[in-house]
Amino acid sequence: GENVEQHPSTLSVQEGDSAVIKCTYSDSASNYFPWYKQELGKRPQLIIDIRSNVGEKKDQRIAVTLNKTAKHFSLHITETQPEDSAVYFCAASSWNQFYFGTGTSLTVIP
Amino acid sequence: DGGITQSPKYLFRKEGQNVTLSCEQNLNHDAMYWYRQDPGQGLRLIYYSQIVNDFQKGDIAEGYSVSREKKESFPLTVTSAQKNPTAFYLCASSLQGGRVEKLFFGSGTQLSVL
Repeated sequence: GENVEQHPSTLSVQEGDSAVIKCTYSDSASNYFPWYKQELGKRPQLIIDIRSNVGEKKDQRIAVTLNKTAKHFSLHITETQPEDSAVYFCAASSWNQFYFGTGTSLTVIP
Repeated sequence: DGGITQSPKYLFRKEGQNVTLSCEQNLNHDAMYWYRQDPGQGLRLIYYSQIVNDFQKGDIAEGYSVSREKKESFPLTVTSAQKNPTAFYLCASSLQGGRVEKLFFGSGTQLSVL
């Protein structure tokens, strides 16, 4: 099956700086890559996603890039704010099976 | 709240007891999933169902059982065979179509052992 690796596991940045989280996947059949944000004790919320026919997608301060050849994709958060502090999960999916990374705990220091 | 309701929010299990976690969705989604979340381990798939009266085991199905008698409902039973059930359980759903669709989560159930 699919194997998704996510790095780093923890990340601290100063408010206003950028944060980058990276994921790799193993199954070339995966064609959908969502990113979720989860606050403590809450449900994961979809923040951005990308399909395999697209190399980059942006939504305000959040962007995702995908390199199909290298099988890796990344989340970029610019101008970070304290409310960006949370755990972020990447996932890879094909045929409606979703495989998740182990999460990155992001702390934005005011 | 995304149309996926999980109950209860907190659940306590005694030794040797089976407990059932409820998951209901009103999104008319075909596929439903159960994930287990342990600290530092991400989300692991327990069971999933793509159609009524059919379901498949995920990576960690041992000690769990499910049913899918209605499109809206996908309850998870944690049996006494699951020796380490303490975790945060998340139900999710998505549309089934010609391509992978977005996955939406319920608010979760925290299960603890007494």
